[in-house]
Amino acid sequence: DAGVIQSPRHEVTEMGQEVTLRCKPISGHDYLFWYRQTMMRGLELLIYFNNNVPIDDSGMPEDRFSAKMPNASFSTLKIQPSEPRDSAVYFCASSWALHLELFFGEGSRLTVL
Amino acid sequence: KNEVEQSPQNLTAQEGEFITINCSYSVGISALHWLQQHPGGGIVSLFMLSSGKKKHGRLIATINIQEKHSSLHITASHPRDSAVYICAVRSGGGGADGLTFGKGTHLIIQP
Repeated sequence: DAGVIQSPRHEVTEMGQEVTLRCKPISGHDYLFWYRQTMMRGLELLIYFNNNVPIDDSGMPEDRFSAKMPNASFSTLKIQPSEPRDSAVYFCASSWALHLELFFGEGSRLTVL
Repeated sequence: KNEVEQSPQNLTAQEGEFITINCSYSVGISALHWLQQHPGGGIVSLFMLSSGKKKHGRLIATINIQEKHSSLHITASHPRDSAVYICAVRSGGGGADGLTFGKGTHLIIQP
């Protein structure tokens, strides 16, 4: 398996624009997680899915953030409208179960000007 | 909420040195993860452990449940070991996924 695949690797956009980040989890993994990493706060969980269903989105900072998982092999994290404080590295991770090893993607580095 | 403290925050060492990175947490856990992140790169899970010790190549992870402490050791360190090492603990007081992350230890191994 190729591992968790994220795109784009880098995104530079202007404030107010819509940003869509994409993730393909490892086949057979039932759990998918979206994390955000900043220098100040480190890694933070935004939302996670189990069998394509959002289980907990309490980490999503505000209504400008939304995430979907239309099928077992694809998830998106959308920010609309984007703001400079959204600049961070966004990681997708997947796992067979909630309490097992996490497999991370390479991350998407977002810069909002 | 579990508090996770890593030490040192930054570490620079010479190639070949024995490296120790520490992780302490405040409440009981079910598991502890050690993660590695290379500059500009993704995150790789090195170990997940709930007791005792695990070894993989030159990396050794230990955990003392009673003392709420874990260490990551690197033997015969090499410049390619330069990375950020992140400790994450799984407990009831963590995030929605049960995980609380440390801020990471920035390790630089000089040739």
